[in-house]
Amino acid sequence: DIVMTQTPLSSPVTLGQPASISCRSSQSLVHSDGNTYLSWLQQRPGQPPRLLIYKISNRFSGVPDRFSGSGAGTDFTLKISRVEAEDVGVYYCMHTTQFPLTFGQGTKVEIK
Amino acid sequence: EVQLVESGGGLVKPGGSLRLSCAASGFTFSSYSMNWVRQTPGKGLEWVSSISGSSNYIYYADSVKGRFTISRDNAKNSLYLQMNSLRAEDTAMYYCARPMPLTNILGSLGYWGQGTLVTVSS
Repeated sequence: DIVMTQTPLSSPVTLGQPASISCRSSQSLVHSDGNTYLSWLQQRPGQPPRLLIYKISNRFSGVPDRFSGSGAGTDFTLKISRVEAEDVGVYYCMHTTQFPLTFGQGTKVEIK
Repeated sequence: EVQLVESGGGLVKPGGSLRLSCAASGFTFSSYSMNWVRQTPGKGLEWVSSISGSSNYIYYADSVKGRFTISRDNAKNSLYLQMNSLRAEDTAMYYCARPMPLTNILGSLGYWGQGTLVTVSS
């Protein structure tokens, strides 16, 4: 199974300041079709997860452009350019490259 | 608008059974694979099972293999999870999730229901 490891597990940030979350996979997430199926999801308190980013760097429908994803192979990053109050929650990386699908442990973003 | 509504959760004793359902609307159900993902209280997310649109391909997490059965009824736009031999560690919120548009069974999970809570306790 591919293990997804996120750092940090907690990220206190000041409103308007940037935030960055790292995700490392235990093996390459490059699929035989050439795509890298790495996603980022946001889970606000009391809500189901919401897809933010797919295939490393593509924003899903309706996702603000302050969210961006980057990386390749086994190392990936989610950045929030300027944190807003509505961004509070837990962020998960997830791969769908092969079964079993696995998630990172989650990173809690909170306002200082 | 894509909608996924789970039901069937509740309190069950260890060793018992439960059947979860997910009613889908707003898209051509048979064209998409579907997934069950669970979240233990206060903890992270765990993928449980996936099924292709035609039910030809089915996958399970090792933690539920042999105890849980995923199925679907495309005529009823419904996804199911039959859970047998339930254990305390199966206590979780269970979400059904659909991949984003124009993707296969490995597509990113773009749509999620609100979840149904399963509690396994004596």
